[in-house]
Amino acid sequence: ETGVTQSPTHLIKTRGQQVTLRCSSQSGHNTVSWYQQALGQGPQFIFQYYREEENGRGNFPPRFSGLQFPNYSSELNVNALELDDSALYLCASSTVYGGYNSPLHFGNGTRLTVT
Amino acid sequence: GQNIDQPTEMTATEGAIVQINCTYQTSGFNGLFWYQQHAGEAPTFLSYNVLDGLEEKGRFSSFLSRSKGYSYLLLKELQMKDSASYLCAVLTDSWGKLQFGAGTQVVVTP
Repeated sequence: ETGVTQSPTHLIKTRGQQVTLRCSSQSGHNTVSWYQQALGQGPQFIFQYYREEENGRGNFPPRFSGLQFPNYSSELNVNALELDDSALYLCASSTVYGGYNSPLHFGNGTRLTVT
Repeated sequence: GQNIDQPTEMTATEGAIVQINCTYQTSGFNGLFWYQQHAGEAPTFLSYNVLDGLEEKGRFSSFLSRSKGYSYLLLKELQMKDSASYLCAVLTDSWGKLQFGAGTQVVVTP
């Protein structure tokens, strides 16, 4: 059983640029969620995808967007980067069926630094 | 408003017991999770409570009182490797959306 993998591990971007982060879900999981974790804080929910559709969104602006692919891998795109976007971005996968939610399994994250 | 509150930091001695409290006030409740996160690593699942009461799993136990909006994580026989941040998270809908507290940094000293 492979876990959740994210790439890249670290990334440095300049304010105003665009970034794409990638995630491969744990095998057998049908749902992927993205979280932003600032230093010293808990993760904040960005959005969730189920069957390639956005299924819920947190308090993040539209310049944060995502995709889920048929193989359950996922991308997080952030446009017009701002300094406050510097954070650890966590991808988590889980299985949702019949009202049951399996625990979220997190990847090791991508550390994004915006200068 | 929605809040999940837990202490910022706790220090305990190797072999001791530590209890991390979490109080929550959220728009939805489908269960409560505890995660452990070592610095620079992913959060890892520790426990899940959806009904009131105590869930025991080895050295770790978690308790939930839904009427009081309260949970705690109990760590027994502390080991140095237990030094980490412990995150309380409420499942706020049926799709797996988690709302996290800011985490409690546990420091285990020799």
